[in-house]
Amino acid sequence: EAGVVQSPRYKIIEKKQPVAFWCNPISGHNTLYWYLQNLGQGPELLIRYENEEAVDDSQLPKDRFSAERLKGVDSTLKIQPAELGDSAVYLCASSSPGLNNEQFFGPGTRLTVL
Amino acid sequence: GQQLNQSPQSMFIQEGEDVSMNCTSSSIFNTWLWYKQDPGEGPVLLIALYKAGELTSNGRLTAQFGITRKDSFLNISASIPSDVGIYFCAAVDYKLSFGAGTTVTVRA
Repeated sequence: EAGVVQSPRYKIIEKKQPVAFWCNPISGHNTLYWYLQNLGQGPELLIRYENEEAVDDSQLPKDRFSAERLKGVDSTLKIQPAELGDSAVYLCASSSPGLNNEQFFGPGTRLTVL
Repeated sequence: GQQLNQSPQSMFIQEGEDVSMNCTSSSIFNTWLWYKQDPGEGPVLLIALYKAGELTSNGRLTAQFGITRKDSFLNISASIPSDVGIYFCAAVDYKLSFGAGTTVTVRA
């Protein structure tokens, strides 16, 4: 069974440019999460989706970050415009209620903003 | 910000040694989890604890859910080179919160 797929794996952009990350969760997982992981820290939740509905976006900086999960499967996280402090790893995870809501993580996208 | 205090921040261990790391919080949680993250990968769940006082093993790993529900520890017995990585505690209230991680390096 395929795990959570994320792309790209690495992205280098200049500040003020837009950037987008894509996530394909494990098949059948209704819940999708986007996390931010700074160097030397644990992941921090940005947004959680139940199917296509964003049920917790309280930690998403809405002035520059946006996310969508239009058909309740794939999701895209966007930053526009990117700032130097956005350099981090962006992790996607998915879960299913039938598995104790265990979250399975993708490999992440490492963003570097120059 | 993160509510979980994880220690130690890093450790160098000798192959074959037993090691221990712990996580504390001022808040009560109903679920404690331990993850391992290898370079360039996402965290992978090692052990899940759902009940205060619960002691659970997964191979050479043993974790306990503290009786106060405010702490947990993870033990690795007879460490081997592939134990290298970053170990995170995590706890669940309305969301999953992570500690800052313990970086483990094994001396062969």
